[in-house]
Amino acid sequence: NAGVTQTPKFRVLKTGQSMTLLCAQDMNHEYMYWYRQDPGMGLRLIHYSVGEGTTAKGEVPDGYNVSRLKKQNFLLGLESAAPSQTSVYFCASSYPGRRGNTEAFFGQGTRLTVV
Amino acid sequence: DAKTTQPPSMDCAEGRAANLPCNHSTISGNEYVYWYRQIHSQGPQYIIHGLKNNETNEMASLIITEDRKSSTLILPHATLRDTAVYYCIVTSGTASKLTFGTGTRLQVTL
Repeated sequence: NAGVTQTPKFRVLKTGQSMTLLCAQDMNHEYMYWYRQDPGMGLRLIHYSVGEGTTAKGEVPDGYNVSRLKKQNFLLGLESAAPSQTSVYFCASSYPGRRGNTEAFFGQGTRLTVV
Repeated sequence: DAKTTQPPSMDCAEGRAANLPCNHSTISGNEYVYWYRQIHSQGPQYIIHGLKNNETNEMASLIITEDRKSSTLILPHATLRDTAVYYCIVTSGTASKLTFGTGTRLQVTL
């Protein structure tokens, strides 16, 4: 059982380049999330999805787009990367439970540097 | 979601109980208290959550005050591997939009 898998783990981009981060979960979770974490700070929610075909904006959505075409995958796109998007990106998934939502499972992160 | 306040850092001797406090004075009736931790730069790890009753699992205990305005995460016998940043999060649970603050950095020492 792999849990939440993020691809790639590391990437260096030049300003203006585009890329897609892939998140895959094998737990049949309804909810999926993308966060970013800057040095010394907590995680900030970028976008999230409550089911296949749905997406919604989080706290810091500007400069990012997402898609959830399949339940198990959640893609995060950067159309034109900027140095301010240098960060560690975490994907997570969870599902609704009777006692609040169940625990969120996080991937191991993608370290992105934009030069 | 209600805002939380945690001390920025705490120390604990190995083998002793670590008691991590969290204030959430604006919590509403349908909001849960969640605790996560992040070891080094790994993805956060769920620890425990509760609504109003105290909770215990294999990792920790969660004590929520009767007025629900504060809570304490207890690691009964801290080890060096418990050194991490601990996040207290309050959320209504809908889509579990976890809002992470800066947390408490717990340092467990010999």
